[in-house]
Amino acid sequence: KAGVTQTPRYLIKTRGQQVTLSCSPISGHRSVSWYQQTPGQGLQFLFEYFSETQRNKGNFPGRFSGRQFSNSRSEMNVSTLELGDSALYLCASSPTGTSRETQYFGPGTRLLVL
Amino acid sequence: AQSVTQLDSQVPVFEEAPVELRCNYSSSVSVYLFWYVQYPNQGLQLLLKYLSGSTLVESINGFEAEFNKSQTSFHLRKPSVHISDTAEYFCAVSESHDYKLSFGAGTTVTVRA
Repeated sequence: KAGVTQTPRYLIKTRGQQVTLSCSPISGHRSVSWYQQTPGQGLQFLFEYFSETQRNKGNFPGRFSGRQFSNSRSEMNVSTLELGDSALYLCASSPTGTSRETQYFGPGTRLLVL
Repeated sequence: AQSVTQLDSQVPVFEEAPVELRCNYSSSVSVYLFWYVQYPNQGLQLLLKYLSGSTLVESINGFEAEFNKSQTSFHLRKPSVHISDTAEYFCAVSESHDYKLSFGAGTTVTVRA
């Protein structure tokens, strides 16, 4: 099976712009989670989707949003970008998203905000 | 809410020497424990996990970790490291009712010849 894919891999934006990142899970996986990775804060959970419904959300401002489509692909959007949003954004998928399951991570999208 | 503490941020080690990466967690409910590895410019890969049963879990590439409930720890060990083990290692916890992983800050292992 193909792994989790994320597009684009690299992105440069300026403050105030918005950005959309895409994630395609492993075939058959219906749960998609997003994480932000920065040197200062480490890996932080953004949100999790299952069957097009957001089931859990981390402690991030409303500028961070996401959605999931009927084919389980997911997008996350960050509006009004700030310098502090520069990070590696990782997407992970699992069959149903339960806490026992292994999450399979994509390579990430590296976002640089100037 | 759960939290994860990795006690060492950097661990330099010589090739063929043993290594131990320490991880402690806190949670008021049952947890599942994971170790992930991240190689440069890549995503995370699962090394091993503890769900239930035997407290000693092993990976296919020689790592092992032991769940200690009384000490709330899940330390990772390898008896003999290779250059290719150079990477960042993350300990993670999920609670039985939750849909997310909480990660420690990570431990960078640098293996030198």
